[in-house]
Amino acid sequence: DAKTTQPNSMESNEEEPVHLPCNHSTISGTDYIHWYRQLPSQGPEYVIHGLTSNVNNRMASLAIAEDRKSSTLILHRATLRDAAVYYCIPGGDSNYQLIWGAGTKLIIKP
Amino acid sequence: DTAVSQTPKYLVTQMGNDKSIKCEQNLGHDTMYWYKQDSKKFLKIMFSYNNKELIINETVPNRFSPKSPDKAHLNLHINSLELGDSAVYFCASSHTLQADNEQFFGPGTRLTVL
Repeated sequence: DAKTTQPNSMESNEEEPVHLPCNHSTISGTDYIHWYRQLPSQGPEYVIHGLTSNVNNRMASLAIAEDRKSSTLILHRATLRDAAVYYCIPGGDSNYQLIWGAGTKLIIKP
Repeated sequence: DTAVSQTPKYLVTQMGNDKSIKCEQNLGHDTMYWYKQDSKKFLKIMFSYNNKELIINETVPNRFSPKSPDKAHLNLHINSLELGDSAVYFCASSHTLQADNEQFFGPGTRLTVL
C-alpha cells in the first residue's frame, strides 16, 4: 500500500488560498489519489480525486505532479467552515481499499 | 434525506455485553463499508460488502460480525464487548467497488465500553 506524508497541521487566514501538500512516492501506476476531509465530530467527506491530470470541482482543485509522487489540494478561498482534517489517500484500484493516514489538520484564522 | 444513516449515535455499555449498530443508505449504492476510528483518529477499514457479499474482512476479531440483509443495509453486531472496542464506528457506501468511486460516510456511532 502506498504510504503518504502530510504536514500534521497548517494554518491559513480566512478568504486566502490554501495549498495542502501530500507526498506519495510509492504510489502504484493505477492508484487514484483521493482527498477527503473530516470536520469536527462528523464523518469524512469526499473532496476530490484524480489519476494523472489536474482536477477541479466546486470544492477544490487537485494538482498532481507529473511523476505522481506528490499532489497538492488547493482551496481557492478558505472559509471558517473549511477547518477540518484533510486526508490524502492514494489507492483503491489494486485492493478496493482506501488506507487512511493521519491527515493534515487545517486551522483557519478569521 | 440523509444519504447514509447510522443508529444509535451514541452507545454506552458494559464490558461483556453484545450490541448492534445499524446502517442504512438511500443512495442505491452496491457497496457498503464499516470503518473504526480510534482515539488517535486513524480510520481503519473493517469490512466491505458488495451486493450483500463480503469483499473485505480486515484483521478484525470474530466478535465482530457484519450482516447485510439487503443492499441498502449493513449492520454491525459486536459480541462480548471489550474496553478496546471503544471508538467511533463509521458506515460508508459507494456506487460500486471501483477505485474512482466516491465514498459517502454516515455521521458515526460513538461506542464507549465501561
